[in-house]
Amino acid sequence: QQPVQSPQAVILREGEDAVINCSSSKALYSVHWYRQKHGEAPVFLMILLKGGEQKGHEKISASFNEKKQQSSLYLTASQLSYSGTYFCGTEADSSGTYKYIFGTGTRLKVLA
Amino acid sequence: EAGVAQSPRYKIIEKRQSVAFWCNPISGHATLYWYQQILGQGPKLLIQFQNNGVVDDSQLPKDRFSAERLKGVDSTLKIQPAKLEDSAVYLCASSSTFAIQGLPAFFGQGTRLTVV
Repeated sequence: QQPVQSPQAVILREGEDAVINCSSSKALYSVHWYRQKHGEAPVFLMILLKGGEQKGHEKISASFNEKKQQSSLYLTASQLSYSGTYFCGTEADSSGTYKYIFGTGTRLKVLA
Repeated sequence: EAGVAQSPRYKIIEKRQSVAFWCNPISGHATLYWYQQILGQGPKLLIQFQNNGVVDDSQLPKDRFSAERLKGVDSTLKIQPAKLEDSAVYLCASSSTFAIQGLPAFFGQGTRLTVV
């Protein structure tokens, strides 16, 4: 039931790009992306709603394919500050109740 | 605006003892969540409140965990008795309305519980 993220971990050099995928077995109403640094609470990055929209914020963007029940987070020209664990949070209908469930997580490390 | 407040930040207890965590959500946020995050894993939803009513508590171990949200504002999560496997960070989050509208959840700093 928990959305599966891939890859589980990735190491980049500053300036390199990365893609993080989130795949659910349930129909999704929205996908939220969060970044969590060690010992800190998850910080909200962006939301994608039904409709296959794509959003961007500076060098971080995301897409949501509701038919495939997948979302991808794109990190371009990565910076040291991008290091952390990325989680997708998904809203899915479960027997009439909308549940908000986090994915398995992707650990990202950016090296100088 | 003030963020989600949680206390205590850290707690160490022996197994079979009781412990309680407190959360004060962002003012005006109707939806409140409690998550359990075990080291290296994603947050796992324990319970979701809409105002002072429970929306989802399907993953709450009800034989030992309880939660309440009096007057639809502050919330407490209690564990009694604690087990070693309860060692985790307990995160509280709030959002301004029911999750169906796709609004983000904002998290508190969490309470790190260690059961010895």
